[in-house]
Amino acid sequence: NAGVTQTPKFQVLKTGQSMTLQCAQDMNHNSMYWYRQDPGMGLRLIYYSASEGTTDKGEVPNGYNVSRLNKREFSLRLESAAPSQTSVYFCASSVGGRGETQYFGPGTRLLVL
Amino acid sequence: LAKTTQPISMDSYEGQEVNITCSHNNIATNDYITWYQQFPSQGPRFIIQGYKTKVTNEVASLFIPADRKSSTLSLPRVSLSDTAVYYCLVGEASGGYNKLIFGAGTRLAVHP
Repeated sequence: NAGVTQTPKFQVLKTGQSMTLQCAQDMNHNSMYWYRQDPGMGLRLIYYSASEGTTDKGEVPNGYNVSRLNKREFSLRLESAAPSQTSVYFCASSVGGRGETQYFGPGTRLLVL
Repeated sequence: LAKTTQPISMDSYEGQEVNITCSHNNIATNDYITWYQQFPSQGPRFIIQGYKTKVTNEVASLFIPADRKSSTLSLPRVSLSDTAVYYCLVGEASGGYNKLIFGAGTRLAVHP
């Protein structure tokens, strides 16, 4: 039982390049989330997926797209990376519903030059 | 949205009890209060969750007064390994699903 896994662990992009961050969970959770964390700051919700087949915007969705590929996988895409998107990206999952505990992955460190 | 306010940083020594208080004046009737712990270069990890009064588990206690406008995370007998950032969150539901708002957290430094 690996929990929540994320790939890649680290990535360097040039401005304007695109990339997809992958996330998978093996806990049979219904809900999945993508957050970003800037240095010294808390986490901010980018997008979430309450259940398979649904996605919704969080606090900071601009410049990102997501795909809930199936119940296990939830990907985050940067279509045209910008230096302001340099951050650590965390994926999380929960059983679903109000107040549910979220389980986080190890994070992806992204540097946009 | 229910915003939380907590101290930016705290210092303690090994073996002491640490209490971190969080204010959430606009908490909604059905919101839960959840605390997470984050070590450097790791994702946050769930510590404890409560709705009212007191909750205790193997690592911490959570005290919530009757008005629920604040809560206190209590860590008994801290060790160096408890040095981390602690986040207080109030569960925000939209359409029945959970969207958590993370603040800047409290940086706890435990000294020998």
